[in-house]
Order: sequence, then structure tokens, then C-alpha cells
Amino acid sequence: DGGITQSPKYLFRKEGQNVTLSCEQNLNHDAMYWYRQDPGQGLRLIYYSQIVNDFQKGDIAEGYSVSREKKESFPLTVTSAQKNPTAFYLCASSGQAASSYNEQFFGPGTRLTVL
Amino acid sequence: AQKITQTQPGMFVQEKEAVTLDCTYDTSDPSYGLFWYKQPSSGEMIFLIYQGSYDQQNATEGRYSLNFQKARKSANLVISASQLGDSAMYFCAMREANTNAGKSTFGDGTTLTVKP
Repeated sequence: DGGITQSPKYLFRKEGQNVTLSCEQNLNHDAMYWYRQDPGQGLRLIYYSQIVNDFQKGDIAEGYSVSREKKESFPLTVTSAQKNPTAFYLCASSGQAASSYNEQFFGPGTRLTVL
Repeated sequence: AQKITQTQPGMFVQEKEAVTLDCTYDTSDPSYGLFWYKQPSSGEMIFLIYQGSYDQQNATEGRYSLNFQKARKSANLVISASQLGDSAMYFCAMREANTNAGKSTFGDGTTLTVKP
């Protein structure tokens, strides 16, 4: 079945540690996105990538980094510079980044907690 | 100014009744798409329905329909014959074709509770 997988489902981090969240898709989509969701809130864009080896900052990129070495994969690293990383992280993909008519497909999410 | 506004933080509906979730948007781009997603308590985001800015007719997908009023910049979601499984958070989103690099902007969501 085609879709998006995220791992791990739950992640615990000690303060000062970097952690990497995995996102893989087999939908052959060009565009991939990372969102952060705080309790009871909407989604905020962290980073997005329209094509392999290219990515752009979203609205809240500080303290995060990404890479896009393969079309299928878009890992997100939460660095120690991110002061309040406890949140729910969602990865998404869509057929064309600049298209206004392609819906986004979402992964199941990773819940990150800082201890 | 907020691009997507959902003014109802929470809504209640009786099972089998219809409910309307409000969404207003703000854009100067003539070409855009409007989307509704459902987020159950599990956290996954499920795409429900899409409306293009040039579409002449309101979109429908099963029990979901979109009441698109372009002049008022309104894209309300109507759920008919509510079911207990419809209890979830609902998000309205917009993608602009020519501005904002095609990124989606999401509203803050509406939590819908269906009562038996």
C-alpha cells in the first residue's frame, strides 16, 4: 500500500540532545513537508522540500534542520537549539509543491517529549 | 492578518443530524485551493474534500459537502447525517497557486463532538 510512514511513534529526548524523526513515502511525490502541532492548535510549517536536494524554511524553522537526499525520505532533526520541542510532528507529501489542487497526504505523526 | 479563520473552537451535534463547520479565508491570489482535513484522536490527518477557486459548483464527497461562497471568502464544511465516528478535530486549509510557494496554511481547527 502506498503511504507515508513516520518513526518512531513516540520519542523522548533529554534536554541538550539532538534527535532525528524519520519520514518515508512511497507515493512518488515530489514535495514533502514537516509540521509541528501543539495541543489544541493548528499545524505550523517547519520546513518543506519541492525536489530532491532542495528545501526551504517554513514559518518556524529555528532549532530544526532537514535533508532531502532521496525522493522518498525527508528526515527532520530537532536540535538542542529548539527551546520547546515537546509537540506532535506531522510529515506530509503532495504530488506537486506549487500546485494549488493537490491535497497533502499525512503520516501518522511522532509525539516528541522532552524530559 | 490570519489567512484561514475557523471561529468555532468546539461544536456539538446530535447523531444523524447535519452540522456546518465555518471557515473564512483571505487571499489576493486568483488561483487557490481550499481543503478540509479530519484529525481523530489518533492524530493522523485525513483529507476530506477539495474546492478549487475556479470551480463553479460546490464540492461534494459522500456525506461531506463544501459550501463555497467566493465573494464572501467562505468555505464551510457541511457534514450530513452525523455519525459517532465523526467526532474529531477538523481543519480548513488553503494553498495559493501563485503566492506563498504553494504552501498550505491551516486554520486553528474546530473540535466536533457527536452526541448519541
